[in-house]
Amino acid sequence: NAGVTQTPKFRILKIGQSMTLQCAQDMNHNYMYWYRQDPGMGLKLIYYSVGAGITDKGEVPNGYNVSRSTTEDFPLRLELAAPSQTSVYFCASSTLLNNEQFFGPGTRLTVL
Amino acid sequence: AQSVSQHNHHVILSEAASLELGCNYSYGGTVNLFWYVQYPGQHLQLLLKYFSGDPLVKGIKGFEAEFIKSKFSFNLRKPSVQWSDTAEYFCAVGNFGNEKLTFGTGTRLTIIP
Repeated sequence: NAGVTQTPKFRILKIGQSMTLQCAQDMNHNYMYWYRQDPGMGLKLIYYSVGAGITDKGEVPNGYNVSRSTTEDFPLRLELAAPSQTSVYFCASSTLLNNEQFFGPGTRLTVL
Repeated sequence: AQSVSQHNHHVILSEAASLELGCNYSYGGTVNLFWYVQYPGQHLQLLLKYFSGDPLVKGIKGFEAEFIKSKFSFNLRKPSVQWSDTAEYFCAVGNFGNEKLTFGTGTRLTIIP
């Protein structure tokens, strides 16, 4: 199993551009999450999904959108990139049984 | 809402020193507890977890953690650290039946050879 995969690994955007961060998992997990990690701030939950077709906001959803059309995929969309969205983004997945989350390798995004 | 405190922001130790990193959470009930490690430039990996049973949990690479319910704590320990333990360590708490985890802000551990 590949686990949780994310693409791209790095990306530089200009202010106002849009992009989609891809996330996929092959563990048949129902639950998927998007976090951002900023230095000294830990992980902040952006959006999460409890199954295909169901998404909900996390702690810091402004400026982002998600969709979950399949169990495997959970893309994160940035519509109008802003410098405040410069961060490292991690996708994770889990089952409800025990909360244990499995993380992808991350996407480092810089908005200039 | 659940909150998780990791009071040590940056810990610097020499090799072979003993380690203890603190983790406290705010809300009780049935909890699942985790320590994740993030090596420089890498993603979070599970170090150890507690669901139930023996409150002393052993993880990978010689790490262990003790769940003390009365103190709402889940501190991470290692008797003798190595240079390769240099990383950031995150404590996370999940309440049973809740699909989300609450993460602490992390502790950066630097081991001096």
